[in-house]
Amino acid sequence: GNSVTQMEGPVTLSEEAFLTINCTYTATGYPSLFWYVQYPGEGLQLLLKATKADDKGSNKGFEATYRKETTSFHLEKGSVQVSDSAVYFCALSGDNAGGTSYGKLTFGQGTILTVHP
Amino acid sequence: DTGVSQDPRHKITKRGQNVTFRCDPISEHNRLYWYRQTLGQGPEFLTYFQNEAQLEKSRLLSDRFSAERPKGSFSTLEIQRTEQGDSAMYLCASSLRRAVDTEAFFGQGTRLTVV
Repeated sequence: GNSVTQMEGPVTLSEEAFLTINCTYTATGYPSLFWYVQYPGEGLQLLLKATKADDKGSNKGFEATYRKETTSFHLEKGSVQVSDSAVYFCALSGDNAGGTSYGKLTFGQGTILTVHP
Repeated sequence: DTGVSQDPRHKITKRGQNVTFRCDPISEHNRLYWYRQTLGQGPEFLTYFQNEAQLEKSRLLSDRFSAERPKGSFSTLEIQRTEQGDSAMYLCASSLRRAVDTEAFFGQGTRLTVV
């Protein structure tokens, strides 16, 4: 079955540091890949997505590239801010009974990011 | 539109009691999903609907769990004879399915504590 593995956290950085959160996946076929973010007290929000190999998703300074050869979708940001402190989830969606659904997701375990001033 | 809303936000119940949660999706969204999230883990898929039809159920959804979406709008998730292992955050999400899917939008969840 499908699975997602994220680097273990928590991750603690100083403001303006470079961020990488590793994510690898196992899936049949050609899944779509996502990063979701959960800020304290809020629901999950889509941060970025990529739907085919070599696609790069980007949003709010975050980027991730769909690497089929290494089955990876690592999240990066060049300069983090205190406001980026949150839990980050890597996820994938694949084909299912009702056709490909971006809502039927397999999530990783999440990585807690804390950014200090 | 205020997004996906879930009610209640918190529920404490005694073991063996039944509980029901409600999810109101974004109004034009025809797909609705339920997830369960335990502490330190990512959400796990439970089931999803397209309009009123339940298209898929996870093996995680035991016989004590039932979900409905009677008119293709709001949905309810009922847990019968709750157990301590049912303690978790229950998340609802919705998306719009036409030729392709839109992203899924999540509610803030219902936190269930079984004592």
